Amino acid sequence: EDKVVQSPLSLVVHEGDTVTLNCSYEVTNFRSLLWYKQEKKAPTFLFMLTSSGIEKKSGRLSSILDKKELFSILNITATQTGDSAVYLCAVTIYNFNKFYFGSGTKLNVKP
Amino acid sequence: SAVISQKPSRDICQRGTSLTIQCQVDSQVTMMFWYRQQPGQSLTLIATANQGSEATYESGFVIDKFPISRPNLTFSTLTVSNMSPEDSSIYLCSVRTAFNEKLFFGSGTQLSVL
Repeated sequence: EDKVVQSPLSLVVHEGDTVTLNCSYEVTNFRSLLWYKQEKKAPTFLFMLTSSGIEKKSGRLSSILDKKELFSILNITATQTGDSAVYLCAVTIYNFNKFYFGSGTKLNVKP
Repeated sequence: SAVISQKPSRDICQRGTSLTIQCQVDSQVTMMFWYRQQPGQSLTLIATANQGSEATYESGFVIDKFPISRPNLTFSTLTVSNMSPEDSSIYLCSVRTAFNEKLFFGSGTQLSVL
């Protein structure tokens, strides 16, 4: 059965801390892994990773994929209260006609 | 990217009634999906909305409970029928365009059933 597992489920840090969120997957016909940030209702896109070892970076956020070990990490440096959200990992298959979501990591950044 | 308009944004409904959620996209899209997110849970795919034909439902979801229409490439509706409190969730329309491998989301519908 295809599955996407995220850890930790929740995390509480203080502003300025660095956090690492994990996503592992077992999906047949893997094509890409995507990260989303969900603050209220609608998830917003962060990164899409298709190749191993190539870091994607956007400001204080970065992510990398390991297709051999079947996992990805999302790093957030110098966290701010505005980073508080649920971070979702999703995996899509070869034809992009299905996306499997993990349970999410709820990040709470305290002032 | 696609701009997705979803409405209503939220609603409070009585048990036994039905609610139809609309999703309008500003461009033609390849795939349209409907997801449910129950409180504290992740996203669960309800169905793939197929243009001009019956939707493809995931295990555990049936057409009688969640009828879906997609009359053209830019519009879809999801109806939650004969609602019970267990249907209280966020419902999300999402799309993938032909030239973009990402999944984009509508603003979501927060449904509460009393």
